[in-house]
This record gives sequence, C-alpha cells and structure tokens, in this order.
Amino acid sequence: SAVISQKPSRDICQRGTSLTIQCQVDSQVTMMFWYRQQPGQSLTLIATANQGSEATYESGFVIDKFPISRPNLTFSTLTVSNMSPEDSSIYLCSVDPGQSNYGYTFGSGTRLTVV
Amino acid sequence: AQSVTQLDSHVSVSEGTPVLLRCNYSSSYSPSLFWYVQHPNKGLQLLLKYTSAATLVKGINGFEAEFKKSETSFHLTKPSAHMSDAAEYFCVVSGGYNKLIFGAGTRLAVHP
Repeated sequence: SAVISQKPSRDICQRGTSLTIQCQVDSQVTMMFWYRQQPGQSLTLIATANQGSEATYESGFVIDKFPISRPNLTFSTLTVSNMSPEDSSIYLCSVDPGQSNYGYTFGSGTRLTVV
Repeated sequence: AQSVTQLDSHVSVSEGTPVLLRCNYSSSYSPSLFWYVQHPNKGLQLLLKYTSAATLVKGINGFEAEFKKSETSFHLTKPSAHMSDAAEYFCVVSGGYNKLIFGAGTRLAVHP
C-alpha cells in the first residue's frame, strides 16, 4: 500500500490567517482525497483532487475556503483560508488503492486549532 | 445513495471477552465495505475490507466481519478483546467515484 507523509502534524493558528497542509505519497496515485474530522465527529469528505484538473468539492465546501492543488501524481495541498475557531479539526488526506487489493490509505492527519 | 449506520456510539467490554461492533449499510448496488480503527492521536488504519468476494472477511489483529446482504449488515467481531484494542472504530462504505462514506464511529473501551 502507498505511504503518505502529511505535514504539519499539528498547528495552532490565529483567526483570519491561512494554513496549507501538504501530503506526499511514495507512489503515483490517480486520486487523492481530503477529509475533515471535527472534534468528536466522524470523517467528512471535503474534496477529491485529480492531477491536471480542478478539485471536486462536496456539498458545503467551497474552493475559496479550501483551495486545493494537485501539481503531480504524488503530491497535493489543502489550504484552510481565513480561519475561524470553527475550522479547528483534524484534516486528513487519503489516496485510492488503485489496482492493489489494499484499502484506502490515510495520512496521519493535521490537528488544527484556531484561536 | 450510500449510507452507513453504526448502531452503538460506545461499547465497553472486559479484557478477554468477545467484541461486537455493529454496522448497517444502505447501498443501491453491491458495495465495498471497510472497517478502520483510529487510536488516540494516531491516523486511520485499515482493519479489513469486503469487496464481493467471501462474505466472511478476516482482518488484522484477530478481527473479522461478516457481510450479510439480507440484513444489510457488516458487523465487526473479535473473539477476545485486548487492552490495545481500545480505540475508535469506523464502518465505511464506498460510494460512487471512489468516495468513502464514514459511519459516526464506535468508541471501544476495554477494561481489565
């Protein structure tokens, strides 16, 4: 299965600022996904990032708030813009298993606290 | 549309006793189903997955799950709980376009 390096692992940010989260995969993958896990909650898909095209956002998430880049098949970034305390969550990236028999692999997550 | 319901938000067992974490799903077609575990301050780890092969799926750390189409269930079991099994468990169904839909999670506590 793919190995994902996600950073930063955690950050404390001031409201109104932006944070960019990076995910690096050790192999080429077609699709990458970004999830949010609010405190005490389950995971919710933010968007799907394909290389060479605009990310596809789920209902309730917009590009202006969560811009995503996917410059190549091994890397993606998610930016949380103009942060407010309600953005305090764990953000995780994931990749599809492709032809492997393994499940979806997840990064270790970024724990964001907005003060 | 696909959805998944985890029937228990918290489950508490004694060490050495069986574990049962319940999950029901809804899908308009034959789904792919997964169980993931999340230990405190750790990432998500795949326990097992079902993709229309054998209905009884064996995973890591002694966990297994049985796909029952007639009951639309995919319950996770383990014969004997260990202290290290204490964690949050998520039942997940694969929706269209590789989207994963997570259940609300079940927090498993294991007591000595």
